[in-house]
Amino acid sequence: RKEVEQDPGPFNVPEGATVAFNCTYSNSASQSFFWYRQDCRKEPKLLMSVYSSGNEDGRFTAQLNRASQYISLLIRDSKLSDSATYLCVVRGGATNKLIFGTGTLLAVQP
Amino acid sequence: NAGVTQTPKFQVLKTGQSMTLQCAQDMNHEYMSWYRQDPGMGLRLIHYSVGAGITDQGEVPNGYNVSRSTTEDFPLRLLSAAPSQTSVYFCASRLQGTGYTFGSGTRLTVV
Repeated sequence: RKEVEQDPGPFNVPEGATVAFNCTYSNSASQSFFWYRQDCRKEPKLLMSVYSSGNEDGRFTAQLNRASQYISLLIRDSKLSDSATYLCVVRGGATNKLIFGTGTLLAVQP
Repeated sequence: NAGVTQTPKFQVLKTGQSMTLQCAQDMNHEYMSWYRQDPGMGLRLIHYSVGAGITDQGEVPNGYNVSRSTTEDFPLRLLSAAPSQTSVYFCASRLQGTGYTFGSGTRLTVV
């Protein structure tokens, strides 16, 4: 089983839609969680950290469920510019390494 | 503040050649890492460093060496290039407890 798993998609949604991605992780000792965004042929960029109580940044909401070992990302009112691959990232317990999921591709269509 | 700078952006090597991918950051970040990204495989950790003079292996270290003589620089050396090392390489840095800032990547082709 992979340490971090994501549905690769693609998620094809119309502009204005709400879309949610989930990501599961296998190490229960994981301590930090992030969502990254990667545009085609570009480097990944930090979208937001994920906090235990959940957190929101504009149209983006991230949540953590430690009991079920998953994190989620909700995007409201999707824009064409949201089209990208979204990477789930988990910092494993004792190793302190950041482990990346393979990403979920989002395509927002006019 | 340039962030994380990687050079070169593109490189073609012949099998058996060696080369060094350069990475420098000006944010005084303790942690630095090298990842490779291949289609369908996601980002895989090659080597990482938690500070000057300290390095450790990641998930796919074979065929690569690193050193961290200063906080700023973290070069990745390919010892004897193989076609399996054709990939996009990303260098990244961070402070403890935060997410990574990535360089713009090096696209390497080994023929």
